[in-house]
Amino acid sequence: NAGVTQTPKFRVLKTGQSMTLLCAQDMNHEYMYWYRQDPGMGLRLIHYSVGEGTTAKGEVPDGYNVSRLKKQNFLLGLESAAPSQTSVYFCASKKDASTDTQYFGPGTRLTVL
Amino acid sequence: AQSVTQLDSQVPVFEEAPVELRCNYSSSVSVYLFWYVQYPNQGLQLLLKYLSGSTLVKSINGFEAEFNKSQTSFHLRKPSVHISDTAEYFCAVSKMVASKIIFGSGTRLSIRP
Repeated sequence: NAGVTQTPKFRVLKTGQSMTLLCAQDMNHEYMYWYRQDPGMGLRLIHYSVGEGTTAKGEVPDGYNVSRLKKQNFLLGLESAAPSQTSVYFCASKKDASTDTQYFGPGTRLTVL
Repeated sequence: AQSVTQLDSQVPVFEEAPVELRCNYSSSVSVYLFWYVQYPNQGLQLLLKYLSGSTLVKSINGFEAEFNKSQTSFHLRKPSVHISDTAEYFCAVSKMVASKIIFGSGTRLSIRP
């Protein structure tokens, strides 16, 4: 039982390049989340999903897209990376609406030059 | 809407000294409250939570937090800290049975020997 895993762990992009971050969970959780963490700002929600095939915008969705084609995976895409997207990205999941605890992945450190 | 304020961005203390990390929240409805901990280069882990019942909640590693509805606070305390408690601590709030939680900006706890 690996919990929540994220791929890759580190990445450096040039401005304008695209990439996809993968989040996978093996706990059969319905809800999945993407956050970004920036110094002094805590975690801010980018997008989230309440089930396979559904996605919703969070607090800071601009410049990102997501897909939840399979229940266990939640992909975060950057179509045209910008330096403002330099951050640490965390994925999280929770079982369903009636549960309260989110489980976090180890994070992806992204630098956009 | 809910919000969370962590009043201290950094708290340095000596080993074996007591510590209090402050958290205040605002909400027009009843809420769940959480403290998450992030050890260096790791994702967040749930430390403790208040859902209902006793206003004093405790973690397995000696931390405790008290829900104070009149002061809208959920401060985290430990009577004697250890070097291994060095981490960033995030207070968070959610509505009951909610899809999202709101994180504070975090408090970095540094322990001096």
